[in-house]
Amino acid sequence: GENVEQHPSTLSVQEGDSAVIKCTYSDSASNYFPWYKQELGKRPQLIIDIRSNVGEKKDQRIAVTLNKTAKHFSLHITETQPEDSAVYFCAASRGSQGNLIFGKGTKLSVKP
Amino acid sequence: NAGVTQTPKFQVLKTGQSMTLQCAQDMNHNSMYWYRQDPGMGLRLIYYSASEGTTDKGEVPNGYNVSRLNKREFSLRLESAAPSQTSVYFCASSEPAGGYPYNEQFFGPGTRLTVL
Repeated sequence: GENVEQHPSTLSVQEGDSAVIKCTYSDSASNYFPWYKQELGKRPQLIIDIRSNVGEKKDQRIAVTLNKTAKHFSLHITETQPEDSAVYFCAASRGSQGNLIFGKGTKLSVKP
Repeated sequence: NAGVTQTPKFQVLKTGQSMTLQCAQDMNHNSMYWYRQDPGMGLRLIYYSASEGTTDKGEVPNGYNVSRLNKREFSLRLESAAPSQTSVYFCASSEPAGGYPYNEQFFGPGTRLTVL
């Protein structure tokens, strides 16, 4: 069945460094790719998303790139700050009714 | 606006007991979802409702039932709880926009369920 693989599962960086999280998906019909951030004990919240008609999208310190041919997309966080520490989930759309398949998450730790 | 609300926040059940998790949204969204989150497993879709009056199975529907009571409310029922259903349950809602069926999903605060 369809699945989304996410790497790495944990990532530790120094404050000010960049962080990159990568995801691959299997369903060639997927056309929507959101990223969610979940702080400890909180609900997931959307931080950025990209649709298949766009190759890259940027919002201040975060950016997402999409390679439809290779079926992978990545989250880039520049100038990381301690408040970026959280679990990040990628997802890909499935079917025609708005469903998402989520990756298993990446725990990002930013050390001051 | 409260967004997506869930009750209860915490629940402890014994094996075989039943319970219903409640979810409501005030954003006039058509689509609503129930997920479970287990350590290292991400978010897995249990059931979803694309619109009032419709429900469909997700990835892990066994042991659960749902009811889309009206456009605002979507409940999840465990008829006979099992320890494997110990998890954090999230409800979410979304609304297609701009001609796209997919759009941001807004999550509730979650229900932490323990089945002994």
